[in-house]
Amino acid sequence: DVKVTQSSRYLVKRTGEKVFLECVQDMDHENMFWYRQDPGLGLRLIYFSYDVKMKEKGDIPEGYSVSREKKERFSLILESASTNQTSMYLCASSLRGFRSQPQHFGDGTRLSIL
Amino acid sequence: GENVEQHPSTLSVQEGDSAVIKCTYSDSASNYFPWYKQELGKRPQLIIDIRSNVGEKKDQRIAVTLNKTAKHFSLHITETQPEDSAVYFCAASKGYGNKLVFGAGTILRVKS
Repeated sequence: DVKVTQSSRYLVKRTGEKVFLECVQDMDHENMFWYRQDPGLGLRLIYFSYDVKMKEKGDIPEGYSVSREKKERFSLILESASTNQTSMYLCASSLRGFRSQPQHFGDGTRLSIL
Repeated sequence: GENVEQHPSTLSVQEGDSAVIKCTYSDSASNYFPWYKQELGKRPQLIIDIRSNVGEKKDQRIAVTLNKTAKHFSLHITETQPEDSAVYFCAASKGYGNKLVFGAGTILRVKS
């Protein structure tokens, strides 16, 4: 069974801090994704990566960056945290294929910026 | 870009009744439509998906229908049970990078 592990379930940080959210998957998936989930807005894609050292912007990349140095690990970075980045962050992974493949999610990190 | 609208935002049904959640998408190139269920405090989990070459797919009490002409797809849950209570998300993908665009979600409450 696919396991996507996010490093923290809950995180509290202060405005202006640099914040790192880590995600690891154990199924050798090529694709990895970072979403944020807010009530009434569903899941919105921040960044995704389809290979090591590759990244592409999603729909709401402003204020975020990512790093993919190893296939199994995808990090989300908040360069200078702000209160409007308080949210639930979800990581997901999937196989890369000619056709779209199911995405598998982690448990999420609930991030509060004070 | 792709836009996915989902209705209703909340749905309450009596145990044993059916529940239907509808989504519309804007990009006719979308070809993959998964549905995810998210229970309180848990991760979204894929419950069923459908590709554009199929009009309907069923898995026990859950079915999904797709109308490509009208660009809408629906989730049908029959004989609802209290454990079906959750938030349900629809999504659409064109295949590139496996990017998914999600609907806003539907809170389903099954009353016993």
